[in-house]
Amino acid sequence: GENVEQHPSTLSVQEGDSAVIKCTYSDSASNYFPWYKQELGKRPQLIIDIRSNVGEKKDQRIAVTLNKTAKHFSLHITETQPEDSAVYFCAASRTGGSYIPTFGRGTSLIVHP
Amino acid sequence: NAGVTQTPKFQVLKTGQSMTLQCAQDMNHEYMSWYRQDPGMGLRLIHYSVGAGITDQGEVPNGYNVSRSTTEDFPLRLLSAAPSQTSVYFCASRPPGRGQETQYFGPGTRLLVL
Repeated sequence: GENVEQHPSTLSVQEGDSAVIKCTYSDSASNYFPWYKQELGKRPQLIIDIRSNVGEKKDQRIAVTLNKTAKHFSLHITETQPEDSAVYFCAASRTGGSYIPTFGRGTSLIVHP
Repeated sequence: NAGVTQTPKFQVLKTGQSMTLQCAQDMNHEYMSWYRQDPGMGLRLIHYSVGAGITDQGEVPNGYNVSRSTTEDFPLRLLSAAPSQTSVYFCASRPPGRGQETQYFGPGTRLLVL
């Protein structure tokens, strides 16, 4: 089955800095890579995703990059704000069927004002 | 739409007790899943279902049972609770098909087993 490794487990930055979270996956057939944000005491919610037919996707201050050859993908957050503080999960899965995503262990991002 | 709902929000059990965590969705999603979240362990899949009458095991199924009699409901049963089952449980759902992979999570149930 799929195995997703996520690093770092904790990331502390100053407001305005950039933050990068990295994930690797093992199943070369995986082609869908979502990122979820979980604020304290809340449910995980999708913030951005990327499919294997593109190498990069941006949405305002967040971007995701994918390297299929190396089987890794990353989340980039620019100009971090205190409200970006949360746990971020990466995931990987195949599409087009009943495939359930495999999640990484999460990264706790702390943005200091 | 209420989306994905879970009850109860919080529960305390004694070792050996049984209980059912409820999950319901009103989005007509065929796929539903149960995850447990433990510190440093991420979201681990317990059981999932691709439609009424169809269930399958995930990564950590031991100690849990599920059934899916309707599209809307996907209850998770703990037959004999153990302290190792202390966790936060999330139910999630999504529609089938390519391009519909977003998981919609419920608010979670926090379970403490003494």
